[in-house]
Amino acid sequence: NAGVTQTPKFRILKIGQSMTLQCTQDMNHNYMYWYRQDPGMGLKLIYYSVGAGITDKGEVPNGYNVSRSTTEDFPLRLELAAPSQTSVYFCASSYRSGGPRTQYFGPGTRLLVL
Amino acid sequence: QKEVEQDPGPLSVPEGAIVSLNCTYSNSAFQYFMWYRQYSRKGPELLMYTYSSGNKEDGRFTAQVDKSSKYISLFIRDSQPSDSATYLCAMITLTTDSWGKLQFGAGTQVVVTP
Repeated sequence: NAGVTQTPKFRILKIGQSMTLQCTQDMNHNYMYWYRQDPGMGLKLIYYSVGAGITDKGEVPNGYNVSRSTTEDFPLRLELAAPSQTSVYFCASSYRSGGPRTQYFGPGTRLLVL
Repeated sequence: QKEVEQDPGPLSVPEGAIVSLNCTYSNSAFQYFMWYRQYSRKGPELLMYTYSSGNKEDGRFTAQVDKSSKYISLFIRDSQPSDSATYLCAMITLTTDSWGKLQFGAGTQVVVTP
């Protein structure tokens, strides 16, 4: 199993540009999540999905959009990039049942908006 | 006030020392208490978790939860340079439909020097 994979690993965007961060999991997890991590701030939930076709906002959704057409894929779209979106983005997935719903994280995408 | 407070460090210890990490929280409804380890430029991975109050031991790692004080701890015995990482506490309350939002602390950077 590859687990959770994310592409690209690193990207530089100019202000106003758009991009899609890709996330794929091969564990047949129902739940998927997008977080951003800023230095000293921990992980903030951007969006999450409880299954194909179902998504909902997290703590910091402004400036982002998501879709979930399949169980495996959960892309994150940035429209009109701003310097405040410079961060490290992590995708994660988990089962719907069992214990604390352990989340499995991808390796992250580093985004720099200039 | 943040729901979960964690000192960001860095915490520097010599090899072989005991590392002591802790978090405080304000939401008494949290049910599961987790510690994630994050190596530099990698995604977080679950180290261990505890359900409700008490202690849990896994090799050199011991997790403690004191719900009456809203305080959790992680101890690393006989620390090794390979333990150098950022340790994030996380907590979750599960709703009746099995959904739960994971609340993370800011993470404590630990450096174990040879």
